[in-house]
Amino acid sequence: KNEVEQSPQNLTAQEGEFITINCSYSVGISALHWLQQHPGGGIVSLFMLSSGKKKHGRLIATINIQEKHSSLHITASHPRDSAVYICAVHYNTDKLIFGTGTRLQVFP
Amino acid sequence: DAGITQSPRHKVTETGTPVTLRCHQTENHRYMYWYRQDPGHGLRLIHYSYGVKDTDKGEVSDGYSVSRSKTEDFLLTLESATSSQTSVYFCATTQGDQPQHFGDGTRLSIL
Repeated sequence: KNEVEQSPQNLTAQEGEFITINCSYSVGISALHWLQQHPGGGIVSLFMLSSGKKKHGRLIATINIQEKHSSLHITASHPRDSAVYICAVHYNTDKLIFGTGTRLQVFP
Repeated sequence: DAGITQSPRHKVTETGTPVTLRCHQTENHRYMYWYRQDPGHGLRLIHYSYGVKDTDKGEVSDGYSVSRSKTEDFLLTLESATSSQTSVYFCATTQGDQPQHFGDGTRLSIL
């Protein structure tokens, strides 16, 4: 049973649209990560957060500890944002538990 | 970014042969991890290391062994490869309460 659930599994958008990807987890965590994986490529860490909100360029990550939920938002989406976005959590260990990812395609 | 090099990047081999994948890092990170990535699954931890000669099992460790004789190198060995071990393997490192840095992956096919 995967303890990290992401939705949606697949997402298509037109360039310029606002995008939201959701992540929920089952018990208390020490930190949550958002990662990006381009087709055929490696994995890059976007955010690591344990409370509140973080912003980097057009990407915004939020977390609600009480709701056990995090969202990744992309404003003014662009075709180069097409990738798989992965949520992962630390359950008070040195190890991460990963979601299965959300595949995003942004069309011009 | 942590300099992480995985080798080989691609490998095709036959069932029953031994295979060793290498992860090399230049950032002196304490923690190193081996994951496998398969369709329909999130990244799954095979083994990890929290220091030289200190390793522990992850959730999918059966059929795999690891060694870490130096800080910079973490080796993953399949003693007798099986078709179920066909996958993409990622190495990652971190110093502790920091995001993990990932290698570019090794695509392993076992025929």
